[in-house]
Order: sequence, then C-alpha cells, then structure tokens
Amino acid sequence: ETGVTQTPRHLVMGMTNKKSLKCEQHLGHNAMYWYKQSAKKPLELMFVYNFKEQTENNSVPSRFSPECPNSSHLFLHLHTLQPEDSALYLCASSQEGESGAYNEQFFGPGTRLTVL
Amino acid sequence: GQNIDQPTEMTATEGAIVQINCTYQTSGFNGLFWYQQHAGEAPTFLSYNVLDGLEEKGRFSSFLSRSKGYSYLLLKELQMKDSASYLCAVMDSNYQLIWGAGTKLIIKP
Repeated sequence: ETGVTQTPRHLVMGMTNKKSLKCEQHLGHNAMYWYKQSAKKPLELMFVYNFKEQTENNSVPSRFSPECPNSSHLFLHLHTLQPEDSALYLCASSQEGESGAYNEQFFGPGTRLTVL
Repeated sequence: GQNIDQPTEMTATEGAIVQINCTYQTSGFNGLFWYQQHAGEAPTFLSYNVLDGLEEKGRFSSFLSRSKGYSYLLLKELQMKDSASYLCAVMDSNYQLIWGAGTKLIIKP
C-alpha cells in the first residue's frame, strides 16, 4: 500500500449504530487530519493529531470520537449519528516542522457515509 | 471571520485556456494551495504559492497577489481529464488550512 488509505470506502448506518472509520498513512508523516466534506461546502477540519497528540478539535460534536494509536493510524469512532452527518469523510497526513511551516497534505480516498 | 471565495462552477472547451480565481480574507497568511479533486476521489496537490508572482508547472500555473488577497489557477491546453473540482486553501497564522468550497470545472469537446 502506498500513500493514504481509508476503510471502508462506503458506509451506511442507522442513528443508533456504532461504527469506526480507519485511516492509515504509509508516508512516514507525523501529522494526521480528519475532514468532513459536504456537497458544495468547504472542507471542514474536524481533528488534527500532531506527533500523536490531538492539537485541534474544531467544536466537533461528541458523537465523533477520534483515536490515534500511533503516527501511522487514525480512527474516527461514530456513535448515535444524525442524518445531517452524512458526508464524505477524508483523512489526510502531512509532515509538520516544529514551526508548523508549509505542510502539503496528502489525502485518502475518503469514506462516503450515509446515516439513515 | 475567515473567508475563501471561488466560483461554484465554470465551463470551458477542450484545448482552450481557463482561469479559476480565488479571493481570501484570513487572519494571517502562510501560503496558498490549489488542489484538484476528481469526482469520488481524494484531493491531490497542484501548487503552493507563498510569494507574489506566477508559478508555472507544465500546463498549470498559479498566481498570487498577497496585497490583493487574490490568486488564480490557469489551466492551458485543456483536456477532458481536467474536468474536476479545484480547491483553493489558505494557511492562516496558526498554520491551519482554510478551504474554499471548490470550483467545479466542466470541459466540453
């Protein structure tokens, strides 16, 4: 595997289900991100992990719970989601310097989530 | 607030040239990125500008004017495979990427 991989590619879940999205990066990067992409809207940054520590949590509802066990893996645990949470969830990684300078992000293919 | 504006959709003809504009208002500036995203696929990096001027990379060029808060992506010799969404993103003073909603480019034969 190369680059950034995400599983599953498609997920349909009910509002009472619990599911998890998985992301793995094979680039040796030290920062990973979760984004939400809804139709005709800007990418919304949800979570950032830098050097395995969560550095950003942009007011995301608690029904989304991230987990970063190491610098190569990132999970997004989902619980009691709402239909408006249906979107494309993208994972990305980058190499962050100490100052946070210039970080081209590499994206995975995304998980298309539908909440019924 | 922080804001990135770009047209929602543009149409161009195969073989022609198209310019996609992006204007921004952010708290600080640490560079501007352009990404390409084909339908159902991941965004892929196209260009990065941090200084004023034009950066050329094959058929694609990106221009930046920091004083005007303005950038454009220029695509030459358009091919059908260039049909995609083009995302403009600015890195703010906290090194966070602020994204535009993307411009859907439709190429017609």
